[in-house]
Amino acid sequence: DAEITQSPRHKITETGRQVTLACHQTWNHNNMFWYRQDLGHGLRLIHYSYGVQDTNKGEVSDGYSVSRSNTEDLPLTLESAASSQTSVYFCASSPTVNYGYTFGSGTRLTVV
Amino acid sequence: ELKVEQNPLFLSMQEGKNYTIYCNYSTTSDRLYWYRQDPGKSLESLFVLLSNGAVKQEGRLMASLDTKARLSTLHITAAVHDLSATYFCAVDIESGNTGKLIFGQGTTLQVKP
Repeated sequence: DAEITQSPRHKITETGRQVTLACHQTWNHNNMFWYRQDLGHGLRLIHYSYGVQDTNKGEVSDGYSVSRSNTEDLPLTLESAASSQTSVYFCASSPTVNYGYTFGSGTRLTVV
Repeated sequence: ELKVEQNPLFLSMQEGKNYTIYCNYSTTSDRLYWYRQDPGKSLESLFVLLSNGAVKQEGRLMASLDTKARLSTLHITAAVHDLSATYFCAVDIESGNTGKLIFGQGTTLQVKP
């Protein structure tokens, strides 16, 4: 069965380190998105991609980057982790703009 | 400023009761999405409402969309404990349906036996 997987599920890192969160989907969806979920802020869009080699900034993109070299993967990189980036990160994909998202299981990131 | 506001944010109700969650939004989007999230889990798609007047039902949940009023409702009929979760509505950030969604704050529903 098709799925969308995120890894790792949990990560603890130190301030200033570079961290990459993986997102892999086998739905063959063109559209992929990264959100962070924080109490009091709900879900906020970080970056998104409409296809291979396409990446775009979302609402809270500072300190984050993504790359899309194939359809299946959209890794999220924190260039220099900060305590403010402690959050739960969700990756999502959709086949077209007329469908809702299919979400990954999330990555809980703690920056100490 | 783009806003998606849910009301109430927290709802505690008895099993068997009916209630409605409201979702107001400020964008010109003509489609709206409802998701469910269980504690510590991911978000699961419940409904995709694609036009004004759309109504969808699944079990004890029914969602509707009024794009002119920029309002969606999620109605719960005869609540059961299994419906306890947080419910999010979401709309497209921009008109023209970009696929980029902005989410409400979520409504946490607690159904007591």
